[in-house]
Amino acid sequence: GAVVSQHPSRVICKSGTSVKIECRSLDFQATTMFWYRQFPKQSLMLMATSNEGSKATYEQGVEKDKFLINHASLTLSTLTVTSAHPEDSSFYICSATWNYEQYFGPGTRLTVT
Amino acid sequence: GQQLNQSPQSMFIQEGEDVSMNCTSSSIFNTWLWYKQDPGEGPVLLIALYKAGELTSNGRLTAQFGITRKDSFLNISASIPSDVGIYFCAGHASGTYKYIFGTGTRLKVLA
Repeated sequence: GAVVSQHPSRVICKSGTSVKIECRSLDFQATTMFWYRQFPKQSLMLMATSNEGSKATYEQGVEKDKFLINHASLTLSTLTVTSAHPEDSSFYICSATWNYEQYFGPGTRLTVT
Repeated sequence: GQQLNQSPQSMFIQEGEDVSMNCTSSSIFNTWLWYKQDPGEGPVLLIALYKAGELTSNGRLTAQFGITRKDSFLNISASIPSDVGIYFCAGHASGTYKYIFGTGTRLKVLA
């Protein structure tokens, strides 16, 4: 149990375009999901908390208009990177809480050219 | 954002050796989690701890919830090459909705 998937696993996009990343809890319902960003050889940086049926809570310094989060159902949260730029290239990972434990998706490698 | 201090930052060990790492916080937590992350993948939950003083094992891994509730320890016995990766601790405080992650310990095992 407690499996989280992400799609796509890798994406390359051109500067100025938008990219949507999906995070799904496959065998449980998650009212709360988290989105992280990870730079090479660094720890996980929490970007925002996604709440089903309500607005996401963004961490300080994260642009909510650039990183749009939608949690439309109990099993799906999406992160849209709008008007992507090369500095947005990173590894994005989502997680969901089940039974007080946090389970991560496999991550999405975003490269903006 | 806030991060927990993990020690050591990185370590090289010989195959078969035991490994110890720890995680410390300035605040009290009521849950500690330990994860392993392989390159290009998401972290995988190894052990969860819920009670001060709790000692929990998962195969060759053993983790402990410090009695002060401000630290946690992870031990790996008889390391093997596939133990290579980054180990993260994460703590959760009562009344909050998110976990705070450690800085990570990068483990390299020499065959």
